[in-house]
Amino acid sequence: GEDVEQSLFLSVREGDSSVINCTYTDSSSTYLYWYKQEPGAGLQLLTYIFSNMDMKQDQRLTVLLNKKDKHLSLRIADTQTGDSAIYFCAERPGSSNTGKLIFGQGTTLQVKP
Amino acid sequence: DAGVTQSPTHLIKTRGQHVTLRCSPISGHKSVSWYQQVLGQGPQFIFQYYEKEERGRGNFPDRFSARQFPNYSSELNVNALLLGDSALYLCASSLVPGFGTYEQYFGPGTRLTVT
Repeated sequence: GEDVEQSLFLSVREGDSSVINCTYTDSSSTYLYWYKQEPGAGLQLLTYIFSNMDMKQDQRLTVLLNKKDKHLSLRIADTQTGDSAIYFCAERPGSSNTGKLIFGQGTTLQVKP
Repeated sequence: DAGVTQSPTHLIKTRGQHVTLRCSPISGHKSVSWYQQVLGQGPQFIFQYYEKEERGRGNFPDRFSARQFPNYSSELNVNALLLGDSALYLCASSLVPGFGTYEQYFGPGTRLTVT
């Protein structure tokens, strides 16, 4: 089946690292994505990782993929108050040649000054 | 370059009415996808269109329909509105569906409230 799960809430102090976790069920997923949504706004693509990679780093963002356990994480280094938002993990099912992305329910990141 | 644009920003409709939402993709993008995001949940895939043809459909009733125009803009239509259709409707554009990294870029959404 196609399902993506995330923890609902994470609170960190400004300057600390944040780690947001995600699990997915489709072992044939080709790409996995992280999106950020600020209040009242659409989704901003942060980064993505191909399923044959186990790590990708992009400035303050590090994505780790454990394909065996179908576990994806997003680490934000030196978290700032501007990082407060909802973060969505999404998978692109391998069986799909369409635009369908399967999203988790989102993790709300609260950054305390 | 302008990003994905959607109109209107907000909309209030009554049960049973019909609504049309509009989306213009990023210049050069030929594929448009529509998602429904109910409050507190992640987006759910409704449709994808590429080169004016439907390429994918999510688990939504036939009251939902869409089309894509020659300039690649798109409309989402919902008939016989129900209270449960209240949501943020997101449009996403991409170059080609199901190919390569397939990065989708989202618009700001249309907030639909059904009373």
